[in-house]
Amino acid sequence: DTGVSQDPRHKITKRGQNVTFRCDPISEHNRLYWYRQTLGQGPEFLTYFQNEAQLEKSRLLSDRFSAERPKGSFSTLEIQRTEQGDSAMYLCASSLRTGEDTQYFGPGTRLTVL
Amino acid sequence: KQEVTQIPAALSVPEGENLVLNCSFTDSAIYNLQWFRQDPGKGLTSLLLIQSSQREQTSGRLNASLDKSSGRSTLYIAASQPGDSATYLCAGGLAGSGNTGKLIFGQGTTLQVKP
Repeated sequence: DTGVSQDPRHKITKRGQNVTFRCDPISEHNRLYWYRQTLGQGPEFLTYFQNEAQLEKSRLLSDRFSAERPKGSFSTLEIQRTEQGDSAMYLCASSLRTGEDTQYFGPGTRLTVL
Repeated sequence: KQEVTQIPAALSVPEGENLVLNCSFTDSAIYNLQWFRQDPGKGLTSLLLIQSSQREQTSGRLNASLDKSSGRSTLYIAASQPGDSATYLCAGGLAGSGNTGKLIFGQGTTLQVKP
């Protein structure tokens, strides 16, 4: 499978715990995006990377959230001290080179915070 | 602030019908518009991408148009099939933001095609 992959697909955690999600973009895609989607809503932009550089972060990304993309390949999104309001689908997307290229999305990681 | 609105929120049609999904955006400063399909509990599948210099794109039974001056895009589905049942999302890429590729999504239209 040469598409965007995400791991895990589902995560259930207790409030206050830390969680980490992984995204593997399509090979040779320079851009990687993270979005969050709550039930019945469209995805909302969180952050994006051009290679290993994180170039923009949304105000939605509080200081409990951190994202990395070491070596410009896979990316991780960590949420510290999870809250019930963090429950959502976390989607990763990649595109070839520029902001004008098609974004290809992964299957998402569904987070449930109890 | 750029906002994207999709109407209707839900649509139910009999199989074989042609249908139109609507998307409107408040700021004409977009550089592309992308239509996605999302099945329940799944990620997004890209359907069509229209650059700001284009007026429409076609793929199989799907045709998407873009009118920047009126702030509207439509997705036309011909001869609908039960397998087309899904949520359809439109998203605009914002200009003036360094062409980050950041997409602003509508809330989606949930389509049900009845056999």
